Amino acid sequence: DGGITQSPKYLFRKEGQNVTLSCEQNLNHDAMYWYRQDPGQGLRLIYYSQIVNDFQKGDIAEGYSVSREKKESFPLTVTSAQKNPTAFYLCASTDTGDGDSPLHFGNGTRLTVT
Amino acid sequence: GENVEQHPSTLSVQEGDSAVIKCTYSDSASNYFPWYKQELGKGPQLIIDIRSNVGEKKDQRIAVTLNKTAKHFSLHITETQPEDSAVYFCAASFLRGFKTIFGAGTRLFVKA
Repeated sequence: DGGITQSPKYLFRKEGQNVTLSCEQNLNHDAMYWYRQDPGQGLRLIYYSQIVNDFQKGDIAEGYSVSREKKESFPLTVTSAQKNPTAFYLCASTDTGDGDSPLHFGNGTRLTVT
Repeated sequence: GENVEQHPSTLSVQEGDSAVIKCTYSDSASNYFPWYKQELGKGPQLIIDIRSNVGEKKDQRIAVTLNKTAKHFSLHITETQPEDSAVYFCAASFLRGFKTIFGAGTRLFVKA
C-alpha cells in the first residue's frame, strides 16, 4: 500500500539535544511538508519542499531544519534552539505543489523533551 | 494575516443525529477547501473537499457547503455513528499556493 511512514511513533529526548524525525513516502509525490500540532490548535507549517534539493520555510521554521536529498525522504531535525519542542509532528505530501491538491499525512511522531 | 476560524471546538451528539461544523476564512484568494478527520494517535485523513466553483458537494452521509461571498464553509454529517467520533479540521488554500491554513479543530463525540 502506498503511504507515508513516520518513525519513530514516540520519541523522548533531553533538553539541549538535537533529534531527527524520519518521513518516507512511496506515493511518488513531488511535494512534502512538515506540520506541528499542539493541543487545541490547528496544524502549523514548519517547512515544505516542492522538489528534491529545494525546501522553503513555513510559518514556524525557527529551531528546525530539513533536507530533501531524495524524492521519497524528507527528514526533520528539531534543534536545541527550538524553545518548545514537545509536540506532535506530522509529515505530509501532495502529488503536485498546487494548492488544490489534498494532503496525505503520516501517523505522526510524538516528541517529548524534558 | 490569513486565518481560518472553526466552530464549535467541541460537539456532542446522539447517535443518529446530525452534526454541523462551521468555518470562516479571511483570504479571498482561497479556492480549495478540504476537510480532514483525525482519529486518536493518527494523522488527519481527507474526508471531503470542495472547490470555489462549486457551492455544495455530497458523499454519502457527508456534505460540504461553501458561501464564497460570506467566506463561510460548513461540514454536515447526517445519521451520525459512534465511529464518526474524532477531531475534524477544516482548511483553506489556493491554487499555486503551498500554504494550507487549518482551523483549530472540532472534537466530535457521538454517543451511542
